[in-house]
Amino acid sequence: GNSVTQMEGPVTLSEEAFLTINCTYTATGYPSLFWYVQYPGEGLQLLLKATKADDKGSNKGFEATYRKETTSFHLEKGSVQVSDSAVYFCALSDRASSNQGGKLIFGQGTELSVKP
Amino acid sequence: DVKVTQSSRYLVKRTGEKVFLECVQDMDHENMFWYRQDPGLGLRLIYFSYDVKMKEKGDIPEGYSVSREKKERFSLILESASTNQTSMYLCASRIYRERQPQHFGDGTRLSIL
Repeated sequence: GNSVTQMEGPVTLSEEAFLTINCTYTATGYPSLFWYVQYPGEGLQLLLKATKADDKGSNKGFEATYRKETTSFHLEKGSVQVSDSAVYFCALSDRASSNQGGKLIFGQGTELSVKP
Repeated sequence: DVKVTQSSRYLVKRTGEKVFLECVQDMDHENMFWYRQDPGLGLRLIYFSYDVKMKEKGDIPEGYSVSREKKERFSLILESASTNQTSMYLCASRIYRERQPQHFGDGTRLSIL
């Protein structure tokens, strides 16, 4: 079945460091891919998305490129801030799940802690 | 911007009570979802709804029911609350179109004593 695997956290970085959070997936066809962010005590916010191979999603300095050949959608940011401390979730939606009410398959989440 | 509003941020109830969690979205979305989130278990889908009066079980429906009488509102019901239902509950909505994301509310942290 379809699945999403994220690197385990917590990830601890110093301010202005480069961030990569790995996400790989297993899916049939051409899924849509999403990154969500959850700040402490809040719900999930859509951070960025990509709907076809080689698409690059970007928002708030974060980027992720849909790589079909490696089935990956790694999240990157060139210079993190303390305010980026949060849990990041990678998710996918394939054609079948889109037609079944749009269910998402989530990774387990990666906690990021940025120190001043 | 899509707005998904959950009626309470924090809720404390007693074992055996009937508990209602309400969720309202303002974008005329067809699809709505209820998840629970627990440490180490990630997000788990409880129920979802294609459209008004339609509902489907998710991965962990036991002990829960839902109601979707109006398009904008999706209610989660704990028929007889138990301590193992203490959790963070998240509601989401989505337009019924291919490749569209879900949009989440701020969550309700429910404690069952």
